[in-house]
Parts: sequence; structure tokens; C-alpha cells
Amino acid sequence: AQKVTQAQTEISVVEKEDVTLDCVYETRDTTYYLFWYKQPPSGELVFLIRRNSFDEQNEISGRYSWNFQKSTSSFNFTITASQVVDSAVYFCASNNGGTSYGKLTFGQGTILTVHP
Amino acid sequence: DSGVTQTPKHLITATGQRVTLRCSPRSGDLSVYWYQQSLDQGLQFLIQYYNGEERAKGNILERFSAQQFPDLHSELNLSSLELGDSALYFCASSGSTDTQYFGPGTRLTVL
Repeated sequence: AQKVTQAQTEISVVEKEDVTLDCVYETRDTTYYLFWYKQPPSGELVFLIRRNSFDEQNEISGRYSWNFQKSTSSFNFTITASQVVDSAVYFCASNNGGTSYGKLTFGQGTILTVHP
Repeated sequence: DSGVTQTPKHLITATGQRVTLRCSPRSGDLSVYWYQQSLDQGLQFLIQYYNGEERAKGNILERFSAQQFPDLHSELNLSSLELGDSALYFCASSGSTDTQYFGPGTRLTVL
């Protein structure tokens, strides 16, 4: 079974601060996928990134960056120069790419509040 | 906008009733997934359909059922509703990349 842990329940920062959201995953599979989703106050779930287990390259997209480290089973998400619009709940998730590959296992989410 | 649509946005009903939630996947996506989001359980996978066939099942209650139709839209049926079924129900769809794109959700309130 897969498990995803987001140890930070809530984070509060002031605009322009950098913030890192932690994600630790557990799996016995050699092939798996990791995801981050954003849930703004409006409620929808917005896909941010997908990473497969064979690709440990870090990724940067604008102010967002992701650090995937298999050695520590972590897939952390950093927002640089945070903005008020970044306030949301962020979910890390995984699936195993196997016969039940569709099932996403979500962490409990981290509530990020960015104050002006 | 993910391209996944869900209706209705909000649903208020009474205990013991039955409701149907509807989902239309993104154009071309063959897989449809249903998730439940509640405060105590978080985001939980319910069921997956692929091209009309059930592919995977999560912790879906026996009172709940789903199907995917030939036009690929899906419906989630919830019956004998209980207060604890109040939650946000999401539908997601995926294509060849397996990335799941979520709809806006249906907020169900059982009174």
C-alpha cells in the first residue's frame, strides 16, 4: 500500500517569503508517480506537476520548483517570492502505475496562507 | 478550467434519500475516477472506470455505485444517505499520460 505524509498541517508566511512544503511517500513499487495539486479557496483541485520514479531531475516552473529525492523518499515543493494568490491547500499524491494505477493516494494537505 | 465538468455544483438533501452526481470527462479521456473529500477522511479514492468498465475500487460503500456510459460520462449514485456522507465529491479524468484532471466538485449536504 502507498502512503503519503505531509507533516506540515498549516504554514503562514508574509508575501515575498520563500516557502517549502514537505512531502514524504512510502511505496514498495519500483514504478510510481508523484503529483502535487493545489486547492484554492474556490474548491477545485488544480494539477501542478507529475513526476515518475525514474526521473529525479528537479523541476522549475516560474516561481514553483520541485525537489524529488528517492534516497529520502521525498518530493518537496518550493514557492519562491510567495504571493497572496498562492494561499491554498496543497496536496501531494502518488500512484503506483500498476494494475490499479489510477488510484491516487493523497497526503492530508498543507494549508498555506500568504499574508500581504 | 480542467475540461472536466460536474453537475450539480451543490446538492442539499435529507437522510435516507438517493442522489446522482454526474461527470463529463475531458475530451478524449477514457478513464474516470471518483473521490470523496471530507474533513475527517481527507481525499479518498472511491472508484475508477476505463472505457465503460470498472477498473479499480477503493473504500466505496455498498450504498454507493457508479457507472460509465458509452459516451464516457459517468454517474455516481449515492443511496440511503447518512449525515456522514456530506462531503465534496470530485470526478477526475485521465488520458494516456495518467495525469488526473479534476472537475470542480459537487458539494453534497445531507440534513
